[in-house]
Amino acid sequence: DIVMTQSPDSLAVSLGERATIKCKSSQSVLYSSNNKNYLAWYQQRPGQPPKLLIYWASTRESGVPDRFSGSGSGTDFTLTISSLQAEDVAVYYCQQHYTTPLTFGGGTKVEIK
Amino acid sequence: QVHLEESGGGVVQPGGSLRLSCAASGFTSSNYDMHWVRQAPGKGLEWVTFIRYDGSYEYYADSVKGRFTISRDNSKNTLYLQMNSLRPEDTAVYYCAKEAFFRGEGGGHYFDCWGQGTLVTVSS
Repeated sequence: DIVMTQSPDSLAVSLGERATIKCKSSQSVLYSSNNKNYLAWYQQRPGQPPKLLIYWASTRESGVPDRFSGSGSGTDFTLTISSLQAEDVAVYYCQQHYTTPLTFGGGTKVEIK
Repeated sequence: QVHLEESGGGVVQPGGSLRLSCAASGFTSSNYDMHWVRQAPGKGLEWVTFIRYDGSYEYYADSVKGRFTISRDNSKNTLYLQMNSLRPEDTAVYYCAKEAFFRGEGGGHYFDCWGQGTLVTVSS
């Protein structure tokens, strides 16, 4: 199974500042035939189901604000919130969508400093 | 508008059974692979199982293999999860989730729509 490791477990960022979350996979999720990284990011606000933010490591889902961006390749990935807003308080999860069993990172809780 | 609504959760004793349902609307569910993902109280997300759009293939996490069965009735736009031999560690909110790609083509398995979830509590 592919193990997904996120860091940090939590972080506190001032409003308007940048938040950076890391995700590392135990093996590459780069699909060689199309050169796409099969890595998604979700946001889960308190009491809500997860919401898709990013897929293929860097493709923003329709309707997601452009302050959210994804980057990385192979085994190392980053989710960046360029200017934290109050509504961004949530837990963020990465997920590899390369192979079954599908696996998620442990989550990163983002709070306001 | 795409919508998923789970039902069937509740409290069950260890060793018992429960069947969850997920009603889909706003899209033709027979064209999409569907998944169940669970979240234990205060914990992260754990993928449980998926079924191909036409019901021809299923895959299970090791933690539920042999105890849970996923199925679908495309005529009713409904997904099911039959859970047998339940254990306390199965206690979680169970979400159904729609895969993003039409007929599972080309993008791997990620989820562009989730239901609100239904809570299953396994306790004596």
